[in-house]
Amino acid sequence: NAGVMQNPRHLVRRRGQEARLRCSPMKGHSHVYWYRQLPEEGLKFMVYLQKENIIDESGMPKERFSAEFPKEGPSILRIQQVVRGDSAAYFCASSNAGTLYEQYFGPGTRLTVT
Amino acid sequence: TQLLEQSPQFLSIQEGENLTVYCNSSSVFSSLQWYRQEPGEGPVLLVTVVTGGEVKKLKRLTFQFGDARKDSSLHITAAQPGDTGLYLCAGAKGYSTLTFGKGTMLLVSP
Repeated sequence: NAGVMQNPRHLVRRRGQEARLRCSPMKGHSHVYWYRQLPEEGLKFMVYLQKENIIDESGMPKERFSAEFPKEGPSILRIQQVVRGDSAAYFCASSNAGTLYEQYFGPGTRLTVT
Repeated sequence: TQLLEQSPQFLSIQEGENLTVYCNSSSVFSSLQWYRQEPGEGPVLLVTVVTGGEVKKLKRLTFQFGDARKDSSLHITAAQPGDTGLYLCAGAKGYSTLTFGKGTMLLVSP
């Protein structure tokens, strides 16, 4: 399966813990995007990364959230000291350099904060 | 501010009926994408339109991009239960980041 892979699919964390969400882009894609989907809301852009670079993090909350896409390995979205409001579905998408707007999504990670 | 307005929000029809859903904005987009999302899954890309007035067909689905690149429509002919899902439009301004509408939830009953 050469599609976008995300893990875990489901993640339960208690308030104050850290959540780490992983994303492996589609084969041949070097651009990764993270989106968050809250109930009753649409998908919201969070951050756009290329290998070892953050290109646009305008949608990322200023505190507790960080993202990276290292030279080797998957992209990681990290949420420190989670709160109940962080409960949502987090989706990763990838694209190639030629058609950045044509983004392919992974199955998502459903984060539940208890 | 919701940049992309989708209508209707919910549509329930019988198998075999035709339908059209809309995606409207006051902003100009360089491209527009349509996705379908099923419960518990990620959005699946259906089509990308980039040229004003462009029409694309994908089997029973017809996508149109408005001349001014501010709006789009999706028409489904002879809907089937397998078409059930959340249809999302997403616009790109510039290089990459997508702005999504809230979607149209389509339910096709046998």
